[in-house]
Amino acid sequence: SQKIEQNSEALNIQEGKTATLTCNYTNYSPAYLQWYRQDPGRGPVFLLLIRENEKEKRKERLKVTFDTTLKQSLFHITASQPADSATYLCALWSGYALNFGKGTSLLVTP
Amino acid sequence: KAGVTQTPRYLIKTRGQQVTLSCSPISGHRSVSWYQQTPGQGLQFLFEYFSETQRNKGNFPGRFSGRQFSNSRSEMNVSTLELGDSALYLCASSPLQYNEQFFGPGTRLTVL
Repeated sequence: SQKIEQNSEALNIQEGKTATLTCNYTNYSPAYLQWYRQDPGRGPVFLLLIRENEKEKRKERLKVTFDTTLKQSLFHITASQPADSATYLCALWSGYALNFGKGTSLLVTP
Repeated sequence: KAGVTQTPRYLIKTRGQQVTLSCSPISGHRSVSWYQQTPGQGLQFLFEYFSETQRNKGNFPGRFSGRQFSNSRSEMNVSTLELGDSALYLCASSPLQYNEQFFGPGTRLTVL
């Protein structure tokens, strides 16, 4: 069966450090992968989309890598800030639906 | 552009009742998808509508249904509510099916 796995344990880091979140998938052949941010009680917000032929994509302090051989995407936030504290979700199309991982909670402390 | 709006934001119902949730997508977006989010299962796909037609459906019982109107607004209905239906129901719109999804704030449904 198709699976999207994200680290269920919360990631606690200090302000200014780089946060790295992992998304692993099985039984997908994705053309692209998406990352979303979700704050408590709110809907997810789209952050980045990376295509299978792109190894890396950047947007301001965000960087995403996509390794289709390892079936893994890494999501980096550089110079992290307390305002980056949220749950981050990765998502893949199954062919008919956008499937989400359960997300990793990030807490950035001053 | 205004974002995706969902009404109501909060609902409390009892078992056996039915409920209708509403979603207004971003202007110009023709694809509307619905998701159920619970702490245990995370975000799960319910169904997707495009130009008033249901194109895809997730693995949910027939008690969950939906529709889309000609102005792209969408409703979802849950009949014979069960305790396990308590969740955050999210609507998302997109100009095309495979683009990024723009989510609304969700409707928090509590079934007592």
